[in-house]
Amino acid sequence: SQQGEEDPQALSIQEGENATMNCSYKTSINNLQWYRQNSGRGLVHLILIRSNEREKHSGRLRVTLDTSKKSSSLLITASRAADTASYFCATAKDTGRRALTFGSGTRLQVQP
Amino acid sequence: KAGVTQTPRYLIKTRGQQVTLSCSPISGHRSVSWYQQTPGQGLQFLFEYFSETQRNKGNFPGRFSGRQFSNSRSEMNVSTLELGDSALYLCASSPRTVSLDSPLHFGNGTRLTVT
Repeated sequence: SQQGEEDPQALSIQEGENATMNCSYKTSINNLQWYRQNSGRGLVHLILIRSNEREKHSGRLRVTLDTSKKSSSLLITASRAADTASYFCATAKDTGRRALTFGSGTRLQVQP
Repeated sequence: KAGVTQTPRYLIKTRGQQVTLSCSPISGHRSVSWYQQTPGQGLQFLFEYFSETQRNKGNFPGRFSGRQFSNSRSEMNVSTLELGDSALYLCASSPRTVSLDSPLHFGNGTRLTVT
């Protein structure tokens, strides 16, 4: 199974509403990152949170990290139609060989 | 600054053939990683190159190989193509090796279809 698993797999909301996506992982990490992918395109980095951080903000994005529960959440406030995309969490282990391991993603649909 | 460039954008090959994909990283970036994305398996790490050396490798068969040149450009090669190799192949670059907390900058990928 993958290191990161997002929940829910799909989410449909109205413009202006908030969207929350969750990510769980299995091993100890150095950092956790969130990426967005528009259909058929590459991934765009949104935010990185280190293992010693609990919360981070960037514009309308808020990320939390709970290392005791091995989980993270991404909150997008006041969503817009342009936020429609797939969102992935990615983790980097804290020891050994490191490569970003991506979760299965959450497909977010924001209805105008 | 130009982003990560992947060529070609689309590719159709026949089973048994081989294919080479190219990636030009952002200027100054020395790390290039490759990922395979499929609907069933999601994003899977192939390998990372840093300063022409393979730093890390995912769980893919030896048919998948790569290299990095002195200008940091990278190529990946898949030999003896199988139907299951159909996927979006994504290249990502970063200033430093992934072992440090460097975000990845992705290209738009090469869509490979094997018939």
